[in-house]
Amino acid sequence: GENVEQHPSTLSVQEGDSAVIKCTYSDSASNYFPWYKQELGKGPQLIIDIRSNVGEKKDQRIAVTLNKTAKHFSLHITETQPEDSAVYFCAASRNQAGTALIFGKGTTLSVSS
Amino acid sequence: KAGVTQTPRYLIKTRGQQVTLSCSPISGHRSVSWYQQTPGQGLQFLFEYFSETQRNKGNFPGRFSGRQFSNSRSEMNVSTLELGDSALYLCASSSGLGYNEQFFGPGTRLTVL
Repeated sequence: GENVEQHPSTLSVQEGDSAVIKCTYSDSASNYFPWYKQELGKGPQLIIDIRSNVGEKKDQRIAVTLNKTAKHFSLHITETQPEDSAVYFCAASRNQAGTALIFGKGTTLSVSS
Repeated sequence: KAGVTQTPRYLIKTRGQQVTLSCSPISGHRSVSWYQQTPGQGLQFLFEYFSETQRNKGNFPGRFSGRQFSNSRSEMNVSTLELGDSALYLCASSSGLGYNEQFFGPGTRLTVL
């Protein structure tokens, strides 16, 4: 079935460093790829998303890249801050509303000051 | 704008019982999706309702069911509870049209004893 693999499962960086999280997906019909941040006791919150007709998207310190041929997409966080510490999930959807998301298993990011 | 609300926030049930969880989407949103989050399986899609109709369905047994009312509020029911149903159940709402952000609620923590 459809699957999204996410690596690494844990990531520790120093404040100011960059963090990169990578995902691969199996369903070639996937066309929408959001990234979510989940803090303790809260539901996931969308931080950035990308559609299949775009190769890269940036929003301040956060960027996402997509390689449809290789079925890879990645999250890049620059100048990390302690408040970036959380669990990050990648996801993929094949429907036009961007719902019915298939999630990766998550990456626990720890940023130490 | 009020966010997605889920009730109750915590629930304890015993094996064999049934349970109903409730989700109130953001005003104006017509799509409600349900996800199950466990440490072992991560975030898994259960089903999505749009304008009172089930639009997408994940790979869960028939014990898991849902419905949506005319005001877009949704309920999820799990019958004949098993220990493995212990999880955080998250609800997400979106407009349901085009690639629009899904907003997650804080979840209902279900414990099955």
